[in-house]
Amino acid sequence: SYELTQPLSVSVALGQTARVNCGGNNIGSKNVHWYQQKPGQAPVLVIYRGDKRPSGLPERFSGSNSGNTATLTISGAQAGDEADYYCQVWDSSTVVFGGGTKLTVL
Amino acid sequence: QVQLQESGPGLVKPSQTLSLTCIVSGGSISSGSCYWNWIRQPAGKGLEWIGRMYSSGSTSYNPSLKSRVAISVETSKNQFSLNLSSVTAADTAVYYCARGCCTDGICTFDYWGQGTLVTVSS
Repeated sequence: SYELTQPLSVSVALGQTARVNCGGNNIGSKNVHWYQQKPGQAPVLVIYRGDKRPSGLPERFSGSNSGNTATLTISGAQAGDEADYYCQVWDSSTVVFGGGTKLTVL
Repeated sequence: QVQLQESGPGLVKPSQTLSLTCIVSGGSISSGSCYWNWIRQPAGKGLEWIGRMYSSGSTSYNPSLKSRVAISVETSKNQFSLNLSSVTAADTAVYYCARGCCTDGICTFDYWGQGTLVTVSS
């Protein structure tokens, strides 16, 4: 079965750029989606198809996907961006989530 | 605005069947390009997709749970359900229902329920 690997945690200073990676075999050939989950809340889509933002999402959120790594980039990180982030792909008609990365804004 | 709301017992005994329902409002469960999912999250852990169903009745399940899972849709009531049999403590989690929709072949989860905690314990 297909697996997605994420770091358990990433820290970023307030106002700096955070990068959250998601590793998978030839993930660059797949459509990767990213979800943000704050404590006690359901996940929210922040990036789809690797680099597209849903309407209403700040331009600070961006994504890239190539080779074996997809990356979620948050520019000018704010305290409100502190959350868990999950990458997700489809593989053989099933959904696969990465293990999630806790982003801490210092 | 589409809304999803999970309902069902918060406590299930080991070896029994966990049954949850998701009521959909603000949109039709028969929407052609959308499908209906169950996703769970054990406390302090990541998301695990359980399975999905189209309003047509076709299903797809997580291979690791396939032998114990059944998802069904009641279009007349605009709701769908999850049955997970032979539960153990490892099935204790927050269970979310979520809508997935596809545009140009790209499918994402756009609406989620608030989640409901199900504990498996005697």
